[in-house]
Amino acid sequence: DVKVTQSSRYLVKRTGEKVFLECVQDMDHENMFWYRQDPGLGLRLIYFSYDVKMKEKGDIPEGYSVSREKKERFSLILESASTNQTSMYLCASNRGMNTEAFFGQGTRLTVV
Amino acid sequence: GQQVMQIPQYQHVQEGEDFTTYCNSSTTLSNIQWYKQRPGGHPVFLIQLVKSGEVKKQKRLTFQFGEAKKNSSLHITATQTTDVGTYFCAGPWVSDYKLSFGAGTTVTVRA
Repeated sequence: DVKVTQSSRYLVKRTGEKVFLECVQDMDHENMFWYRQDPGLGLRLIYFSYDVKMKEKGDIPEGYSVSREKKERFSLILESASTNQTSMYLCASNRGMNTEAFFGQGTRLTVV
Repeated sequence: GQQVMQIPQYQHVQEGEDFTTYCNSSTTLSNIQWYKQRPGGHPVFLIQLVKSGEVKKQKRLTFQFGEAKKNSSLHITATQTTDVGTYFCAGPWVSDYKLSFGAGTTVTVRA
């Protein structure tokens, strides 16, 4: 059974903290994505990676960075968390641009 | 910039009725994908359309890809309570790895 696993389901962090969200996939997929989901705004792409050590900005990269040192792992980093980054974060992966994406269960991050 | 738009944002349907949700892209898509997210869950892939004008059916769901590969629709017949959730369309643009989603159509069903 294919799997995308996010390290935490719920996370509470303080303003200004550095936050790491981890995502691991076991399908040997080339592409990995980070989205945030907010009511009424759908899924907005933060960053994506099409290969190890390769990354590209999505639609809302400000305040975020990413790391992909190994093919199976894609990390989202909030350098200095702010309250407007409180959201549901979803990681996804796919084999190529014409293939279905598989999502993790999501991390609900609250920044206080 | 390039965008994927979905309408309507909300759809309240009487059980047994039909409805359609629409997806429009500002530029040509390589393919269109549809996902369903149940309340409290994560998006799950439903189907992919690749060819211009393509129509695919999954039981009561009919998916269509426009001739210009810039729009798509999802039509559900005889809505059931199991259809509750948010339906997203998504697509990579031609020669792009980026998978961009629309804002989704959230469906509620009145029994």
